[in-house]
Amino acid sequence: DAGVIQSPRHEVTEMGQEVTLRCKPISGHNSLFWYRQTMMRGLELLIYFNNNVPIDDSGMPEDRFSAKMPNASFSTLKIQPSEPRDSAVYFCASSLGLNNGEAFFGQGTRLTVV
Amino acid sequence: DAKTTQPNSMESNEEEPVHLPCNHSTISGTDYIHWYRQLPSQGPEYVIHGLTSNVNNRMASLAIAEDRKSSTLILHRATLRDAAVYYCILRGRLQETSGSRLTFGEGTQLTVNP
Repeated sequence: DAGVIQSPRHEVTEMGQEVTLRCKPISGHNSLFWYRQTMMRGLELLIYFNNNVPIDDSGMPEDRFSAKMPNASFSTLKIQPSEPRDSAVYFCASSLGLNNGEAFFGQGTRLTVV
Repeated sequence: DAKTTQPNSMESNEEEPVHLPCNHSTISGTDYIHWYRQLPSQGPEYVIHGLTSNVNNRMASLAIAEDRKSSTLILHRATLRDAAVYYCILRGRLQETSGSRLTFGEGTQLTVNP
């Protein structure tokens, strides 16, 4: 397996534009996590899904952020409208929902909002 | 989530053992102790996890105190490639329908000197 795949790797957009980040989890994994990392706030858990269902979205900063998982092999994180303070590295991770629970992370998407 | 406390930074010399401590005095009986690390410009990477007994794998060893209120990640021979931020995380037992959160703290920045 190629691991967790995120796209794009880098995104530069203007304030007010819609941004969509994409994630393909490892095949067979049934938990998926979205994180945001900044120097000031570290790694923040935004939302996680289990069996394609959103379980905990308490980390989503505000209504401008939304995440979907239409099927087991794809998830999106959307920001609309984007703001400069959304600039960060966004990571997606997946894990198999058994006692092991080892999570595998993608390479991240570096988002810059100007 | 139960809280963990780690030193902000530690230093080690190459080829020497490293002991990275973590305090988790409010751990619950069903919390697993997970360790991840993040190398520069990469996503976090699973290292090891355990519940009550000490654990060994090819990357490291995990020593868990008898009362489970603290643990230590042991790198037996540090290399320059082990320089990273190491995160100690408490993760609740995975539930079949809801999975389990995976929340990161600030971690310990490990510097390895040649």
